[in-house]
Amino acid sequence: NAGVTQTPKFQVLKTGQSMTLQCAQDMNHEYMSWYRQDPGMGLRLIHYSVGAGITDQGEVPNGYNVSRSTTEDFPLRLLSAAPSQTSVYFCASSRARNTEAFFGQGTRLTVV
Amino acid sequence: GEDVEQSLFLSVREGDSSVINCTYTDSSSTYLYWYKQEPGAGLQLLTYIFSNMDMKQDQRLTVLLNKKDKHLSLRIADTQTGDSAIYFCAERRGSARQLTFGSGTQLTVLP
Repeated sequence: NAGVTQTPKFQVLKTGQSMTLQCAQDMNHEYMSWYRQDPGMGLRLIHYSVGAGITDQGEVPNGYNVSRSTTEDFPLRLLSAAPSQTSVYFCASSRARNTEAFFGQGTRLTVV
Repeated sequence: GEDVEQSLFLSVREGDSSVINCTYTDSSSTYLYWYKQEPGAGLQLLTYIFSNMDMKQDQRLTVLLNKKDKHLSLRIADTQTGDSAIYFCAERRGSARQLTFGSGTQLTVLP
């Protein structure tokens, strides 16, 4: 059982480049979320999804897009990378609203 | 995550008890969580408490909840070097009950 899988683990981008961070879960969870982790700021919610075809904005959505075409996958797209998007990104999933959230191992992104 | 507050650092000696504190804001939060993050890894759920409970104990971990003051604490008994990590408290809030995290407390266990 793989749980929540994020790829890539590390990425360096130039300012203005676009890319997609992948997240997949094999637990048939309805809820999926993307967070960014910055020093001293904990995890901040970027976007989330409560089911296939449904997405919504979190606390810091600007500069990011998401889609949820299947239950398993929840990719995060950076449209035009900026140095302020240098961070560690975590994807999480949970079975329902009040249940445990399972986290991926994270993607460390550096924008130069 | 600024609405959920934690101190950033805590140091304890091996064998002592650690107490990590957290204050939250949403009085309607139904579940409150403690997550552990080891270096270079994702977050792992340590324990959680339902809002109608005052205390929950799980082996070396004790969670105390004061709903009146919106204060949550995690006590780790007999702290070991393997407990060195960042500890996050989190509450579920909002219509979609998304997790909101504190800034994390870096626990350092000294020999």
